[in-house]
Amino acid sequence: AQTVTQSQPEMSVQEAETVTLSCTYDTSENNYYLFWYKQPPSRQMILVIRQEAYKQQNATENRFSVNFQKAAKSFSLKISDSQLGDTAMYFCAFMKGLSGGSNYKLTFGKGTLLTVNP
Amino acid sequence: DADVTQTPRNRITKTGKRIMLECSQTKGHDRMYWYRQDPGLGLQLIYYSFDVKDINKGEISDGYSVSRQAQAKFSLSLESAIPNQTALYFCATSDLQDSLNEQFFGPGTRLTVL
Repeated sequence: AQTVTQSQPEMSVQEAETVTLSCTYDTSENNYYLFWYKQPPSRQMILVIRQEAYKQQNATENRFSVNFQKAAKSFSLKISDSQLGDTAMYFCAFMKGLSGGSNYKLTFGKGTLLTVNP
Repeated sequence: DADVTQTPRNRITKTGKRIMLECSQTKGHDRMYWYRQDPGLGLQLIYYSFDVKDINKGEISDGYSVSRQAQAKFSLSLESAIPNQTALYFCATSDLQDSLNEQFFGPGTRLTVL
């Protein structure tokens, strides 16, 4: 079974600074996908960024980027130029890449509560 | 308008009551999911459906049942609610044609069982 570990229950950062959220996972699979979801106080789950394991290049979405270390099974999220609206719970998630389009199961970490201070 | 909607958004009920949570989507996706979120935990999969005739149990299906009334509708029922089912419930959808199977979440239903 896959497991996802987020070792930082809470973090804080000053507005405009950079913060990195950690995520490690355990799997014997070679083909899989990794995701970071954001859950603000509104409770909505919002996809922030995703990474296919077969891609060596780290994914980037505007101020959000990942450091994907496949051998170390590490998938950290870096938020640059932090904004007050980035305050949220952040979840790391893993999905096996199964053949025939049957990949479906997201395994989530317990989350990291990020607070951006003015 | 939201692509994935859930009703109700909040519900308080008593132990032993039957409760139905509803999910509707306008994304045209085949796949739909129900998740549960407890404080301090990530989301756990309760049930999933790949089409109207396909229903599957997830990690924590005991005490729950589902109904896929149409491609766009997927309901979750608690036949006899108990206090440890107090949680935040999310519906999600994904597109069969999307090899990445990105899941899109509804706004969540906060359920409290007294």
